[in-house]
Order: sequence, then structure tokens, then C-alpha cells
Amino acid sequence: SQKIEQNSEALNIQEGKTATLTCNYTNYSPAYLQWYRQDPGRGPVFLLLIRENEKEKRKERLKVTFDTTLKQSLFHITASQPADSATYLCALGPPGGYNKLIFGAGTRLAVHP
Amino acid sequence: SQTIHQWPATLVQPVGSPLSLECTVEGTSNPNLYWYRQAAGRGLQLLFYSVGIGQISSEVPQNLSASRPQDRQFILSSKKLLLSDSGFYLCAWRWAGAEQFFGPGTRLTVL
Repeated sequence: SQKIEQNSEALNIQEGKTATLTCNYTNYSPAYLQWYRQDPGRGPVFLLLIRENEKEKRKERLKVTFDTTLKQSLFHITASQPADSATYLCALGPPGGYNKLIFGAGTRLAVHP
Repeated sequence: SQTIHQWPATLVQPVGSPLSLECTVEGTSNPNLYWYRQAAGRGLQLLFYSVGIGQISSEVPQNLSASRPQDRQFILSSKKLLLSDSGFYLCAWRWAGAEQFFGPGTRLTVL
């Protein structure tokens, strides 16, 4: 069955540094991959989508890469701020439609002043 | 603009009691609707999704059921709650794009 893995341990970094979060998957060939942000006690919020034929996507301080050979996506936050502290979830999208996403458990990011 | 509502925000129920969680979406027509459950430290587990009124796809066999009586209303139900039903229940909608938009969630504790 499909498996999606994100670092279960929290990532602690200093303000101003670049945070890099990893999403690995097996037994699946997603057509696209999404990243969401989730604050405690709240629903996830969509951040970025990258398709299988795209290597990199950027949005303001966010950058996502997608390597279908390695079956891995990296999510970068440059010039991190304490307000970026949250849990970040990656989600795989199936080929042929948009109806189902497979979510990872998420990685908690803590940015310290 | 579109908004999604869920209620109640928190719920404490005894084992064996019934459950009804409601989700409504405003500002869009014929959305795809989803129910997820999130256990502590775990990813979102897709429970049900619906592409239209009365159309429900179940992803996980369990004692939960879902209904979509109106275009923008999605209801999650159970006749008898189990301890394992505790968790954070999230409703989401999608329309034309691939991204999903989530509601504020319901924290359910079964005692």
C-alpha cells in the first residue's frame, strides 16, 4: 500500500534561517503533490501544489521541489519567522482525478527568535 | 467569497451514544465535499467524499456514515460511538482545482 513519510520529530530553527521539510513516499505515482499548513486546533490551509512534470515551484518565501525519481518533495521556507511556526503536511494527489488526497502526518516547525 | 462552517466545535459523548456532525459551505455550487479524521500525531484519514447530492463514497469501513441532503451540506453520523472514534473531524470542499479548503474542525472525545 502507499506510504507517505514526513519527519516525525519537530524541526527547530533560528529566525532568519531557511527551514527545509521533507516528504518521502513509496508505492505510489502521484500526479501532483500539495503542501498545507496546520496551526494547533485548526484546519489545514493550502499553500502550494506542484505537478509531476514540474521540478520546482515558488510562492513568496516558499519553495517546493518534486523529484519523482527519488519519490521525494522538499519544502523550503526562506528567511523564516516565528509566525511560520506550525505543522506542515504534504499530500499526494492521484493520477486521473482530484478526488482523493493521501496526507502525511506532518512535521512541526518551530522558529525561534 | 467561499466559507465553510462546522459544528459543533467540540463534543464530549459517552460510548454507545449517537453522533451527528454538520458541515455547510457558502459561496460555491456543486462542490466536492470531504470528511477527514485526524488522530493525535497522525495524518488526515479520508473517511467519506461526495461529488453530488446523495452521492457518497466511503473510504474506511467503520461505524460511521455520511449523507449529503443538500448541495452544500454534508453530515457525518454514527448510531453508536466507540472509544476509537475520538479525534479531530475535518470537513473540506473542493471545486475546480486540486486544492482543498478545510473547515475549523470538530474535536470529538468519546468517554
